[in-house]
Amino acid sequence: SQELEQSPQSLIVQEGKNLTINCTSSKTLYGLYWYKQKYGEGLIFLMMLQKGGEEKSHEKITAKLDEKKQQSSLHITASQPSHAGIYLCGADITGANSKLTFGKGITLSVRP
Amino acid sequence: SQTIHQWPATLVQPVGSPLSLECTVEGTSNPNLYWYRQAAGRGLQLLFYSVGIGQISSEVPQNLSASRPQDRQFILSSKKLLLSDSGFYLCAWSLGRAGNTIYFGEGSWLTVV
Repeated sequence: SQELEQSPQSLIVQEGKNLTINCTSSKTLYGLYWYKQKYGEGLIFLMMLQKGGEEKSHEKITAKLDEKKQQSSLHITASQPSHAGIYLCGADITGANSKLTFGKGITLSVRP
Repeated sequence: SQTIHQWPATLVQPVGSPLSLECTVEGTSNPNLYWYRQAAGRGLQLLFYSVGIGQISSEVPQNLSASRPQDRQFILSSKKLLLSDSGFYLCAWSLGRAGNTIYFGEGSWLTVV
């Protein structure tokens, strides 16, 4: 079974709309990382969350980690075509080192 | 600032041929280094990681091997490629402490024919 579940699998939104995607684990997350990827390219780091209840924002993207540190959400406000891509969450689920386990990713399309 | 490069970006190899993908990191010392593979519908899978020269940990039994001949160089190899080795390979690095962000290279597309 997948240790990190991302939902939904894919998402199509109209430009200007808000959206939220999720990343869920059955285990405590010692560090939760959000990345964005264009198909066939490397992963671009977006944000890292470590503390329960933590929230970070960068431009129009906000990421949150719940108090139990088992679920994270990524919210995009007023989506733009530049937000389109694959969003992956990665997490340290052992607490022992910097190895990350990843979800399968969510493909976001933004219609102009 | 730190940079990571991997090459080649794309390669097509026949079954049974050898493989060598190379990755180098600049601007830092003693980084943790990683090789991931991304296959369609299967997400990102950690193949190898290294915390120092000559120290390699394998996460998944497979037809591949990794080596770290220098502090900032990480090489992914195979003696005989299989069709199932096709995929997108990503090298990554982080500082050697838990909780540090992992940064990825541009990726290498491998097609085994």
